[in-house]
Amino acid sequence: GAVVSQHPSRVICKSGTSVKIECRSLDFQATTMFWYRQFPKQSLMLMATSNEGSKATYEQGVEKDKFLINHASLTLSTLTVTSAHPEDSSFYICSARDVENSPLHFGNGTRLTVT
Amino acid sequence: AQTVTQSQPEMSVQEAETVTLSCTYDTSESDYYLFWYKQPPSRQMILVIRQEAYKQQNATENRFSVNFQKAAKSFSLKISDSQLGDAAMYFCAYRSHNNNDMRFGAGTRLTVKP
Repeated sequence: GAVVSQHPSRVICKSGTSVKIECRSLDFQATTMFWYRQFPKQSLMLMATSNEGSKATYEQGVEKDKFLINHASLTLSTLTVTSAHPEDSSFYICSARDVENSPLHFGNGTRLTVT
Repeated sequence: AQTVTQSQPEMSVQEAETVTLSCTYDTSESDYYLFWYKQPPSRQMILVIRQEAYKQQNATENRFSVNFQKAAKSFSLKISDSQLGDAAMYFCAYRSHNNNDMRFGAGTRLTVKP
């Protein structure tokens, strides 16, 4: 089946630094990838939709200058949390689909802790 | 905008018994997809079952089945012969036919008692 790899699984960074999270589709081409954020004991909230070769579409309330998304190839999308603050600490999950109308395949998520 | 509601924050079931998780949604669209995802402690999102809105027949995957009531905008998940490994958070999700993104409910934490 389709596999999505997300790296790193855990990261701790200091306040003010930037962190990059990678999302790769290992055995399929993903023209569209999605980035979600999940707070403890809460649901997944869509942050942005990443389309290969074009700018990401951000959900209302998500700062595009803070959460930089790059989808430079059909198998890789990156989320960079810039100038991280403790309130950015959360669980970030990416997902991708291979063909239209197929279910989303999720990465294993990244737990970000900003100290 | 579409919304997905899971009214049961927590549910509990005895091993080998059956449990039903509720989900309702709000949409003005006629063509869409519904999903149930399982999220165990590992946090990995695992697809349990999907339903296309244009199909009247309820989807079934082994011990998992849904009761899809389109007019009522209801999409419940039934887990039969519950196993300890079924314990997890379960999320109901909606995706419209034309859009790519998926909207999730708040989740239901299922506990399976031995």
